[in-house]
Amino acid sequence: GDSVTQMEGPVTLSEEAFLTINCTYTATGYPSLFWYVQYPGEGLQLLLKATKADDKGSNKGFEATYRKETTSFHLEKGSVQVSDSAVYFCALATPSGSARQLTFGSGTQLTVLP
Amino acid sequence: KAGVTQTPRYLIKTRGQQVTLSCSPISGHRSVSWYQQTPGQGLQFLFEYFSETQRNKGNFPGRFSGRQFSNSRSEMNVSTLELGDSALYLCASSLRQDFNEQFFGPGTRLTVL
Repeated sequence: GDSVTQMEGPVTLSEEAFLTINCTYTATGYPSLFWYVQYPGEGLQLLLKATKADDKGSNKGFEATYRKETTSFHLEKGSVQVSDSAVYFCALATPSGSARQLTFGSGTQLTVLP
Repeated sequence: KAGVTQTPRYLIKTRGQQVTLSCSPISGHRSVSWYQQTPGQGLQFLFEYFSETQRNKGNFPGRFSGRQFSNSRSEMNVSTLELGDSALYLCASSLRQDFNEQFFGPGTRLTVL
């Protein structure tokens, strides 16, 4: 079945450091890929998405590129802030058909220190 | 535009009881999905409803059920609660079924004692 493998956390960085959170996936067909962020005590917020190979999703300084050849969708940010501290989830959505659902990775806890 | 709302936000029940959780999607959204989030299993898909019909179901026992009303509001029910049902239950809505814009509510924290 479909699966998402995420970089194990927790990740602790200093403010203004470079962030990479690795994400690889296994899926049949051509899934859409997402990064969601969850702040303490809240639900998930869509951070960015990519729907086809070589698409780059970006939002709030975060970027991720859909790499079909390596089945990856790594999240990057050039300079993290304390306010970026949260749990980040990589997810995929199966293409059209009966199996419509989001499959999530295990999440990566990010803590940014001032 | 109001976001996805879930009620109640917190719930404490004892083993063997049943519980009903409610989700009101964003106005105009017709697809509602439910997820269970636990520290051990992470985020797992429960089911999805579109236009009052269950379109997809995850790998959960029959104690977990749901429904959607004509105004797109959805409820999920868990009967004969077990300790392992303690979790954050998240509801998400989208305009269509393509998941390209899925919006999550804050969740209902269920504790089973």
